[in-house]
Amino acid sequence: EAGVAQSPRYKIIEKRQSVAFWCNPISGHATLYWYQQILGQGPKLLIQFQNNGVVDDSQLPKDRFSAERLKGVDSTLKIQPAKLEDSAVYLCASSLVGPSGTSGKRETQYFGPGTRLLVL
Amino acid sequence: AQSVTQLDSHVSVSEGTPVLLRCNYSSSYSPSLFWYVQHPNKGLQLLLKYTSAATLVKGINGFEAEFKKSETSFHLTKPSAHMSDAAEYFCVVRGPTGGSQGNLIFGKGTKLSVKP
Repeated sequence: EAGVAQSPRYKIIEKRQSVAFWCNPISGHATLYWYQQILGQGPKLLIQFQNNGVVDDSQLPKDRFSAERLKGVDSTLKIQPAKLEDSAVYLCASSLVGPSGTSGKRETQYFGPGTRLLVL
Repeated sequence: AQSVTQLDSHVSVSEGTPVLLRCNYSSSYSPSLFWYVQHPNKGLQLLLKYTSAATLVKGINGFEAEFKKSETSFHLTKPSAHMSDAAEYFCVVRGPTGGSQGNLIFGKGTKLSVKP
């Protein structure tokens, strides 16, 4: 089974520029997550999609970050304009279903390799 | 609120010796707990998870973790370290279920080094 795909793997931009990341989840996975992992810290959830609808974007800095999953499959995360503190690894994950009262195999989140962003 | 604290930012062991990575959790209800491993330039991989069944959980690659409610701990262990175990390990708790909650809350990570 193919895993979660992300591109690009690396990106270097200057502050105030725009950047977009792409994620292709595992086939058939309804739930898609974007995480931000700053150096030396654990990943932090930015946004969660269930099919093409947003379930949780409470930690997404909406003044500069946006994300979409138009057809309920691929997703893009955009930053415009970028700041120095946005330098991080952006991880995409997917699961068959969303979180619920149990934690079975269907809820297990599978992570992509991430996109490493450096803002200069 | 749910949270996890990884007590060591860096652990160094010799190959063939035991591994202990410590994690304490805070949760207002019976938690779901996980350990993930992250090798350089690779995605996070689930090692094991605790979901209120057996308190001793066995995972992949010989790792196991024991849920101790009295100590609010979920330490990760392995009897004998291998060079390939060198990576960053994250203790994770799942947030409260219902609505948009229930997502993963990560600790800051423990970097495991294995010396030959």
